[in-house]
Amino acid sequence: GENVEQHPSTLSVQEGDSAVIKCTYSDSASNYFPWYKQELGKRPQLIIDIRSNVGEKKDQRIAVTLNKTAKHFSLHITETQPEDSAVYFCAASISSNSGYALNFGKGTSLLVTP
Amino acid sequence: GAVVSQHPSWVICKSGTSVKIECRSLDFQATTMFWYRQFPKQSLMLMATSNEGSKATYEQGVEKDKFLINHASLTLSTLTVTSAHPEDSSFYICSARGQGSGANVLTFGAGSRLTVL
Repeated sequence: GENVEQHPSTLSVQEGDSAVIKCTYSDSASNYFPWYKQELGKRPQLIIDIRSNVGEKKDQRIAVTLNKTAKHFSLHITETQPEDSAVYFCAASISSNSGYALNFGKGTSLLVTP
Repeated sequence: GAVVSQHPSWVICKSGTSVKIECRSLDFQATTMFWYRQFPKQSLMLMATSNEGSKATYEQGVEKDKFLINHASLTLSTLTVTSAHPEDSSFYICSARGQGSGANVLTFGAGSRLTVL
């Protein structure tokens, strides 16, 4: 099955700096890569996703890049703010109508200090 | 947007009792629902995939007789933790996959924190 590795497990940055979280996946058939943000005690919230036919996607301060050849994808947060502090999970899935589950990375705890 | 309601949000029970957790898609039909388990400061571990009208598919190492899943309608899936023990204490989160253009996006419930005494 799919194995998703995520690094780093913890990341501390100063407000205004950029944060980068990296993930690798093992199944070359995976074609859907979402990123979720989970605040303490709350449900994971989708913040951005990318499909395998795209190399990069950006939404305001958040961007995701995908390298299919190397089987890795990254989350980039620019101009970080204290409210960006949370646990971020990457995931990989095979997108199809039959409904494949997401396989999650182990998470990155991001702390943005004022 | 899609909303998934999960109930109860927290439950405390005695060892040996059974606990049922409900997951409802409020404004869309969920052909597939997934049940995840999350230990403190850890990732979401997939327990099982629940398809409406058919038996759930369990991940390796998850006891199907221990964690009963029923997906009787397109808007409701239930997880029953049978004969719960302290080691079953965890945060259980359901998620639902919609139909059509929304089929690839998972929407999560708020989670249910189970504490078994």
